[in-house]
Amino acid sequence: AQKVTQAQTEISVVEKEDVTLDCVYETRDTTYYLFWYKQPPSGELVFLIRRNSFDEQNEISGRYSWNFQKSTSSFNFTITASQVVDSAVYFCALTMDSNYQLIWGAGTKLIIKP
Amino acid sequence: ETGVTQTPRHLVMGMTNKKSLKCEQHLGHNAMYWYKQSAKKPLELMFVYSLEERVENNSVPSRFSPECPNSSHLFLHLHTLQPEDSALYLCASSQDGTGSDEQYFGPGTRLTVT
Repeated sequence: AQKVTQAQTEISVVEKEDVTLDCVYETRDTTYYLFWYKQPPSGELVFLIRRNSFDEQNEISGRYSWNFQKSTSSFNFTITASQVVDSAVYFCALTMDSNYQLIWGAGTKLIIKP
Repeated sequence: ETGVTQTPRHLVMGMTNKKSLKCEQHLGHNAMYWYKQSAKKPLELMFVYSLEERVENNSVPSRFSPECPNSSHLFLHLHTLQPEDSALYLCASSQDGTGSDEQYFGPGTRLTVT
């Protein structure tokens, strides 16, 4: 079975704190792709990152970083020095070569308080 | 012009009305998607078009009828909807329909059925 679990329904932190959003996935495929999307209050889903199953290198983009660990089937997302503009719902998603449909997590609502 | 546009942004319709949602992508992509996002539910994939051919229809009720006249435009024709169809309808596009590529989303149409 394929599944994406985002156990944190909502996280609230004060601005400038670091915050990590968890994503755990399940798949039996050896080739798969993981994604993170951001959905601000305006509603538009914004693509953040794609990672394929053969590339376990962690990625950093400004204040954003991603930790991909196949051993624990996790693809966690960390925001360093959070800002109010980071407030949004963040979705983790999975797709496989055997099934091109995106499998979405339930999303984590992140609230950054000034 | 932004990547994926959707019109209208908001729509209120009665159960006997007929209306259409429009999506246009300016990214030169070959695949387009319709998603439904209801409160407290995961994103639901409704339709997928690749090179203007429908490749997926996830058991969507016939009161939703998609149309893809070319690779840049996608419509969702609505008729005799039910109140439970009220949701955010998101359009997306990707380079192809294989699932390994990231999808780019429009801002969505907030639909209310009265």
